[in-house]
This record gives sequence, C-alpha cells and structure tokens, in this order.
Amino acid sequence: EAGVAQSPRYKIIEKRQSVAFWCNPISGHATLYWYQQILGQGPKLLIQFQNNGVVDDSQLPKDRFSAERLKGVDSTLKIQPAKLEDSAVYLCASSPYYKNTEAFFGQGTRLTVV
Amino acid sequence: RKEVEQDPGPFNVPEGATVAFNCTYSNSASQSFFWYRQDCRKEPKLLMSVYSSGNEDGRFTAQLNRASQYISLLIRDSKLSDSATYLCVVPHGSSNTGKLIFGQGTTLQVKP
Repeated sequence: EAGVAQSPRYKIIEKRQSVAFWCNPISGHATLYWYQQILGQGPKLLIQFQNNGVVDDSQLPKDRFSAERLKGVDSTLKIQPAKLEDSAVYLCASSPYYKNTEAFFGQGTRLTVV
Repeated sequence: RKEVEQDPGPFNVPEGATVAFNCTYSNSASQSFFWYRQDCRKEPKLLMSVYSSGNEDGRFTAQLNRASQYISLLIRDSKLSDSATYLCVVPHGSSNTGKLIFGQGTTLQVKP
C-alpha cells in the first residue's frame, strides 16, 4: 500500500515570497492533517480536513497560510508571504477515520526561509 | 497548562538499561492514546496505541493512569536502535474532530 506522498522534500525561499506544498494521502483515507514541526518541538496541527471539509483550523495563521482539499483527496498548503519563523518541517498525515485512530505521516517538506 | 506535556530529556542510558518516559494530559475526556517514534529528520511513526489500562509489545510497555491523567512508556533492555524521539499523542477528547495533540517529545540516546 502506498504511503502518504508529499512534495517537494526541501524548499528554500526568501522572506516575503510564496510557497506551496502538496500532499496525496493514503487511498481511501477521509481525514487529512497538516502539521508544522519546528526543530526541537512536537508537531503542531495547522488544519484538519474530513473529506473536503475543514473540521479544525484553529491554529492556522489565516493571514498568511491557506489550505485546500477540493476533491477530498490531495491537498495543498500555501504560505504567502513567508516569514523567517515559518522555517519548519511541514508534515501531512492521513487517517481512515476521524476519531481515536492513528495518523500515517508523509516524509514532510523541510522549509527554510532566509 | 499544556494539553500534552513531556519531559524533553535527553535521556542518556547504556545498552540493556530500562528507561521510562511519562506524559501528562489535561483533557480528561480523551479515550485513546498513542506513542509515536520519530527518528532524526524522519517522519513520526506509530509505536503503540493505548486504549485501556495498558499495552505491551515485546520490550515496550505503555500504561495509562486515567485518574492521574498520565501515560507512561517503558522500554526494557534498551538497544542502540531505540535512540529516537518518543512523542506522546492524545486525541482531543471533547471534540468530535479527532484532533491529535502531540507532546514535545522525549529524546532517548542509548549508548554502547
């Protein structure tokens, strides 16, 4: 079974530029998560989708971050404009169900903002 | 109080040692819990699920104390390959969204 796919693996941008990350979850998984992991910290949930609807985006900095999952399958996360503090690993994960179940993670996108 | 708290460590132990990590959580409504393992520069991967009082898988034992709201992970006979960060994960118990809250992680270094 194919795992969660993410691209790109690495990205270096200058502050105030835009960047987009892509995620394709495990086939059939209804729940998709985007997490931000800053070095030395645990992953922080940015947004959670159930099919193509948002169920939690309480920690998404909406002035600069946006995400969509239009057809309920793959998803994109965008940052515009980027700040130095956005340097982190952006992890996408998926789950077959929405509650009390493990999440399967992709390899992540390592973003460096200079 | 943070929703999920862990001692970041690092825990430095010799091979063969027994080591235990604790994790405390604030939401008493949470029903299930997870321990994930994260190797350096890799993604988190599920190590164990804990749905009742505890779970055991080989050298690894997870225990849950609902009254005190903590989960522990015990590793017996530590191997060099156990060196990693161990993340405690608690679903947000009061919501219906299944939001997974991660702790900061506890770093384990097993020395020869």
